[in-house]
Amino acid sequence: NAGVMQNPRHLVRRRGQEARLRCSPMKGHSHVYWYRQLPEEGLKFMVYLQKENIIDESGMPKERFSAEFPKEGPSILRIQQVVRGDSAAYFCASSTQSRDTEAFFGQGTRLTVV
Amino acid sequence: RKEVEQDPGPFNVPEGATVAFNCTYSNSASQSFFWYRQDCRKEPKLLMSVYSSGNEDGRFTAQLNRASQYISLLIRDSKLSDSATYLCVVSLRTGNQFYFGTGTSLTVIP
Repeated sequence: NAGVMQNPRHLVRRRGQEARLRCSPMKGHSHVYWYRQLPEEGLKFMVYLQKENIIDESGMPKERFSAEFPKEGPSILRIQQVVRGDSAAYFCASSTQSRDTEAFFGQGTRLTVV
Repeated sequence: RKEVEQDPGPFNVPEGATVAFNCTYSNSASQSFFWYRQDCRKEPKLLMSVYSSGNEDGRFTAQLNRASQYISLLIRDSKLSDSATYLCVVSLRTGNQFYFGTGTSLTVIP
C-alpha cells in the first residue's frame, strides 16, 4: 500500500508563474489536508477536502490559491502568479473518515520562487 | 486563540536525560490526540496516539488530561536520534480536522 504521494518533490517557478502541486492520498483515504511550512516555522493549515468538496479552507489565502480534490485523480493545490513569499514546503496529508484515525503525510513539495 | 499551543523550545538535553513536553488545546470538543515527530526537512510522522488512560511505548510516555485540556510527552533515556521537532496534534469530535501545534524542538547532545 503506497503512502501519500506528492509530486513534484521540488518545484522552481519564476515570479508570476503558476505552481501546481499534486497529492495522491493513501488507498482508501477520502480526506486530504494541505499544510504550508515556511523555513524555521511550524505547519500552517491551509485547506481540508473530501472528494469533490472543500470542507474547510480557512487557512488558505483568499487570492491566488485554490485547491481541488476531484472524483478521479489527485488533489491539486494551485498557486497563481507566485511571489517570493510563496516559497515554502507544502505538505499533503490524508486520512480515512473513521474517528480516532491519524493523518499520514506525503514527503512534501518544496516550492522555490525565483 | 490558537487551537493547540506548545512551548517551541529549543530543548537541549544531554544523552540519557529525561525530557517532558507539554501541550494545551483550546477546544473541549477535541476527541483524538497525537504526537508527531518531524525531522529537519522531512514530513511529520506519527510517533504515538494519546489515550485517555495514558500510554507508553518504550522510552516514550504520553498522557492526556481532559479536565485541564493538556497533553504531555515524556522521553526517558534520551538518544541522539531523538533530536527532532515534536508536534502536538488534536482532532475534533465532529469532522476530521487536525490541528497542529507549532512544535517543540529537541536537540540531544552527546
